[in-house]
Amino acid sequence: QVQLQESGPGLVKPSETLSLSCSVSGGSISKYYWSWIRQPPGKGLEWIAYIYYSGTTNYNPSLKSRVTISVDTSKNQFSLKLNSVTAADTAIYYCARALWGSWGVFDSWGQGMLVTVSS
Amino acid sequence: EIVLTQSPGTLSLSPGERATLSCRASQTMTSPYLAWYQQRPGQAPRLLIFGASSRATGIPDRFSGSGSGTDFTLTISGLEPEDFAVYYCQQYGRSPLTFGGGTQVEIK
Repeated sequence: QVQLQESGPGLVKPSETLSLSCSVSGGSISKYYWSWIRQPPGKGLEWIAYIYYSGTTNYNPSLKSRVTISVDTSKNQFSLKLNSVTAADTAIYYCARALWGSWGVFDSWGQGMLVTVSS
Repeated sequence: EIVLTQSPGTLSLSPGERATLSCRASQTMTSPYLAWYQQRPGQAPRLLIFGASSRATGIPDRFSGSGSGTDFTLTISGLEPEDFAVYYCQQYGRSPLTFGGGTQVEIK
C-alpha cells in the first residue's frame, strides 16, 4: 500500500519561501496525479496544485502566482514551494495521490505537516 | 470556480441513527465528479465516495452517496461510534478543484 510522507521546515518567516517535499513509498510515482492540499487550523480544505508524473501541472488561481510544484521521479517524490508567505499561509499541508485515471479524487494522503508562518 | 455549500454545519445525532448530509454546488455539474471525505480529529481526510455514488475501497456499505446537477447527498444509514467526524464534499469536474466547508457529525 502506498504511503506518503511530508517533510520540511515547520516554521517559516513572513515573506520567505515555504518548501515541502512528499516522499512516496510502497508504490511508484509514475502514472498518477499528485497534489498538495492545505488546511488552516480548525478550518476547511484548500487544494493548491497538482502535478502528473510526466511534469504536467495545474495550479489553484488563488495561489498560482506564488506556487511551484515539481516532481523527481528518480527519488519518487514531489515538492511544493510557496513564496512570499504570510500568517494566512499557516496551515497543515497534506500531500495526496489521486485515484488512477483521475486527477482529483484523493485515495491516499500523507499524515500532514503543520507549517507556521511567524517571525 | 464552483462553490460547494454544505448543510447543516453541525448534525447532532445518536449512535444508530441515520445521518443525511447535503452538498449544493453553485453551478450545474454535468458529470457527477463529486467526492466525499471523512476527517477525524488529528487525521488526514479519508475518501468515502467518488463519482457521487461509488464507494471507495474498504468503505462500509452504511455509507452511500447520491445526487446530480447541483444537489448531492451523503447518507450514513446507522451511525457507528467511529463515524462521528467532519465530512467534506469536493468537486473535481472543473479546475480549480474545490471543497465544501464541512459538516460536523457530533454525538447527541
